[in-house]
Amino acid sequence: GQQVMQIPQYQHVQEGEDFTTYCNSSTTLSNIQWYKQRPGGHPVFLIQLVKSGEVKKQKRLTFQFGEAKKNSSLHITATQTTDVGTYFCAGRTTDSWGKLQFGSGTQVVVTP
Amino acid sequence: GAVVSQHPSWVICKSGTSVKIECRSLDFQATTMFWYRQFPKQSLMLMATSNEGSKATYEQGVEKDKFLINHASLTLSTLTVTSAHPEDSSFYICSAAPFNEQYFGPGTRLTVT
Repeated sequence: GQQVMQIPQYQHVQEGEDFTTYCNSSTTLSNIQWYKQRPGGHPVFLIQLVKSGEVKKQKRLTFQFGEAKKNSSLHITATQTTDVGTYFCAGRTTDSWGKLQFGSGTQVVVTP
Repeated sequence: GAVVSQHPSWVICKSGTSVKIECRSLDFQATTMFWYRQFPKQSLMLMATSNEGSKATYEQGVEKDKFLINHASLTLSTLTVTSAHPEDSSFYICSAAPFNEQYFGPGTRLTVT
């Protein structure tokens, strides 16, 4: 079955630094979404990417969808303490209407 | 946006008892809702897709007789964990996708003693 892996599993970042988390799917995706889950909270939708090679920005966050639509990345610049949480990518294939396969997540810890 | 609520937010029950968790869409109608389970430090695992007016679709490995899902109206889906055991202790989250992206409820933390 479809698998979605994320690396790294854990990211310790100094405040002000940049970092990137990567998402890889075993199958081609129709679209990919990114979610953020704060400690003790529930996932919150960040963005959706649909087109091959698509790049979207949200302030300090840059999301990219690979040309083959099997991988994606999230890059955060000038990390702040508010960026703490676990970032999940979630992929949808063409034959899985409505269903998302969540990645393993990257837990981000920010030190001042 | 879309708001999804869950009740209760946390529950402790004794082994062998059943627990019902409610998931409501507050400002939209949802013909489909999704139920996830999340163990500590792990990702969300889809358990089942709840369909209004019809049977739920369960993911492989999820026991439909243990996790009963009822989607009786366009704004309410319920998950009943029957004969709960300590290994069922987890964070249960529902979601709906009225605008393609999924909106999650706040989750229910279940502890079975």
